[in-house]
Amino acid sequence: GEDVEQSLFLSVREGDSSVINCTYTDSSSTYLYWYKQEPGAGLQLLTYIFSNMDMKQDQRLTVLLNKKDKHLSLRIADTQTGDSAIYFCAESPLTSSNTGKLIFGQGTTLQVKP
Amino acid sequence: KAGVTQTPRYLIKTRGQQVTLSCSPISGHRSVSWYQQTPGQGLQFLFEYFSETQRNKGNFPGRFSGRQFSNSRSEMNVSTLELGDSALYLCASSSRTGGTDTQYFGPGTRLTVL
Repeated sequence: GEDVEQSLFLSVREGDSSVINCTYTDSSSTYLYWYKQEPGAGLQLLTYIFSNMDMKQDQRLTVLLNKKDKHLSLRIADTQTGDSAIYFCAESPLTSSNTGKLIFGQGTTLQVKP
Repeated sequence: KAGVTQTPRYLIKTRGQQVTLSCSPISGHRSVSWYQQTPGQGLQFLFEYFSETQRNKGNFPGRFSGRQFSNSRSEMNVSTLELGDSALYLCASSSRTGGTDTQYFGPGTRLTVL
């Protein structure tokens, strides 16, 4: 089936690292994505990882993929108050590939305290 | 390049009315997907259009419909509005190159049904 699970809330101190976790069920997913949503805004693509990769780093962002456990994580180094937002992970199931359907988790609200 | 644009940004309608939302994709992108976002159900896929053809459809009633024009702009229509249709409607465009479903989202249209 198609299901993506995330914890709902994470609170960190400014300057600390944040780790947001996600589990998915469809092992056929070819790509996995992280999006950020700020209040009143649409979704901003942060990064994505291809399913044959274990890790991808992009400046302060590190994505880890454990395909065996179907676990995805997003690490934000040196978290800033501007990182406060809702973070969504999403999968692109093979059955829906190239037909525009992404399956999203419920979103993790990241609160960064000064 | 300009991003994905959606109009209008805000709409207030009453039950029983119909509404049309518009989405202009990133220049060169031929795929447009639509999503509904609500606090209770999260982000749910509505449908996807590519080259004026609907290629995939989510689990929504027939009151939800869409179309795509030759310039890749897309519209979605909701007829006989219900209170539960109040949501943020997001569209996303994709270039469909390299097999990835990387989708870039617009700011959304906030629909309130009274």
